[in-house]
Amino acid sequence: GAGVSQSPSNKVTEKGKDVELRCDPISGHTALYWYRQRLGQGLEFLIYFQGNSAPDKSGLPSDRFSAERTGESVSTLTIQRTQQEDSAVYLCASSLGPLGELFFGEGSRLTVL
Amino acid sequence: RKEVEQDPGPFNVPEGATVAFNCTYSNSASQSFFWYRQDCRKEPKLLMSVYSSGNEDGRFTAQLNRASQYISLLIRDSKLSDSATYLCVADSGGYQKVTFGTGTKLQVIP
Repeated sequence: GAGVSQSPSNKVTEKGKDVELRCDPISGHTALYWYRQRLGQGLEFLIYFQGNSAPDKSGLPSDRFSAERTGESVSTLTIQRTQQEDSAVYLCASSLGPLGELFFGEGSRLTVL
Repeated sequence: RKEVEQDPGPFNVPEGATVAFNCTYSNSASQSFFWYRQDCRKEPKLLMSVYSSGNEDGRFTAQLNRASQYISLLIRDSKLSDSATYLCVADSGGYQKVTFGTGTKLQVIP
């Protein structure tokens, strides 16, 4: 597709389960970001990829959160042993380079019961 | 100090009013600046880039003040459809990643 694609769009899970969220960036975009946005709050930076490496993962809130990117394309954000406070929209964005315009996906809405 | 700071608002303004938002950034080496718009329950989208000389796009004007390290967004003749959260963005310097402010909420009232 032409834009950033995220899946699933909605995920409801039980506390303690693991979840995987996927992001397909725009083809050729080397920079990829993950953000978390709780209801009514601002964007919370999680991790930034340049190519397949993550020069800044300072926003990951705990060791339950991890992310990887392969082939300078798809990225997966994994949350282990989910907690209720993990409930949020997880947004992925990509850009041609580190300083370019970011294009966002529509997000994955995670609800932890 | 946060890398990018904005007044969260909300700014409640009547239709037709002019409203201005400021945003400060902490890194004097920052080179790229943007304003994004986020509608309720939607993803952010680029409103406009901010150039050193200032730039205008219809009713919207963006300016950069390097000496004081802030960028501004001016909206003239506000429309109901301008109601949204406006996010300021600056890079971290040294060709590193960009950083978003927490956003300023604008509500245009009839």
